Amino acid sequence: DVKVTQSSRYLVKRTGEKVFLECVQDMDHENMFWYRQDPGLGLRLIYFSYDVKMKEKGDIPEGYSVSREKKERFSLILESASTNQTSMYLCASSTWPKNIQYFGAGTRLSVL
Amino acid sequence: DQQVKQNSPSLSVQEGRISILNCDYTNSMFDYFLWYKKYPAEGPTFLISISSIKDKNEDGRFTVFLNKSAKHLSLHIVPSQPGDSAVYFCAAGYMEYGNKLVFGAGTILRVKS
Repeated sequence: DVKVTQSSRYLVKRTGEKVFLECVQDMDHENMFWYRQDPGLGLRLIYFSYDVKMKEKGDIPEGYSVSREKKERFSLILESASTNQTSMYLCASSTWPKNIQYFGAGTRLSVL
Repeated sequence: DQQVKQNSPSLSVQEGRISILNCDYTNSMFDYFLWYKKYPAEGPTFLISISSIKDKNEDGRFTVFLNKSAKHLSLHIVPSQPGDSAVYFCAAGYMEYGNKLVFGAGTILRVKS
């Protein structure tokens, strides 16, 4: 079974703090993704990566950055957290040629 | 610009009956479609997929139908069970590129016992 592990289930941060969300997958997948889920908006892609040190912007990259130094790990960084970044953050991974993404349990981030 | 739309925010069905969840897309270049199920406090889990060369794919109680001319797909669950109560997301992508997916907003399914 594919396992995607997100380091925290719940996080509470203050406005202006730098926030790191970590994601690790154990299936040697090439592709990794960060989404945020908001009510009525579904899953929106923030960034994705198809190889180590490679990254591509998704649909809503503003206010976020990512890092992929190792194949199994993909980090999402909020440089200066703001209240509108309060959300559920989901990490996923996938491999060629099957386009099935496997998700972690999610991190619910509250920015106060 | 929502390329994948799930117009019903919620659906309520009696146990044992059929649940039909609908999804529309606007980009005719999508050639691969998936359904995911999500329980509260968990990540989405893959349910079933279909490529554009087919119009139907079945897996146990779950069947996905694709109508390319209408740019519409649907997920049928027969018979519905209380454990099926969850949020269902439709997603679309491209087989050739094999990575990015576009998700709909989700439909909350409640199966009443």
